[in-house]
Amino acid sequence: KNQVEQSPQSLIILEGKNCTLQCNYTVSPFSNLRWYKQDTGRGPVSLTIMTFSENTKSNGRYTATLDADTKQSSLHITASQLSDSASYICVVAHQTGANNLFFGTGTRLTVIP
Amino acid sequence: NAGVTQTPKFQVLKTGQSMTLQCAQDMNHNSMYWYRQDPGMGLRLIYYSASEGTTDKGEVPNGYNVSRLNKREFSLRLESAAPSQTSVYFCASSEGQGAFYEQYFGPGTRLTVT
Repeated sequence: KNQVEQSPQSLIILEGKNCTLQCNYTVSPFSNLRWYKQDTGRGPVSLTIMTFSENTKSNGRYTATLDADTKQSSLHITASQLSDSASYICVVAHQTGANNLFFGTGTRLTVIP
Repeated sequence: NAGVTQTPKFQVLKTGQSMTLQCAQDMNHNSMYWYRQDPGMGLRLIYYSASEGTTDKGEVPNGYNVSRLNKREFSLRLESAAPSQTSVYFCASSEGQGAFYEQYFGPGTRLTVT
């Protein structure tokens, strides 16, 4: 069964600290993996998209890693800011089929001053 | 560019009432989607339209209908609302249909059915 699991469910960190969010998936055959940021009351916004051959991808203070062999990904946030408070959703795309995106349930990050 | 817009932002319905959620995009995208987001669950695809003039069922289509009015607009209709349809609904669009096309999401409609 194609699934995407994220951990932790929620996380509270102090402003300025780093954190790492985890994503494990069983989607096969794999096409790509995306991380989205969803602010409260808003729609998800794409942070990164990684294909099978990419191990690391950065977008400012956000760095995503992918290990396609173990089917794991992480999102590392450096020097967190209050504006990083949001839900972070891991999405894995299947190679075939029209309904081919599998969404994780997200990690709710709260950055406190 | 406004991107993907949705109306209304909030709606409360009584069981059995009907309503239509509107979605429009100004990015000249070919494909559009409707998702629902429930607490503790990932986004689930309700219906999608790969291109103007076509619509197809997603993972959870029961109780919904859609219309691709033109290339810009894709509406979602609830004919007889049920409490189980209480959710946040997101419309999205992408340039094409397929695994590598990025989807752009609207701000969502929060629907409560009592």
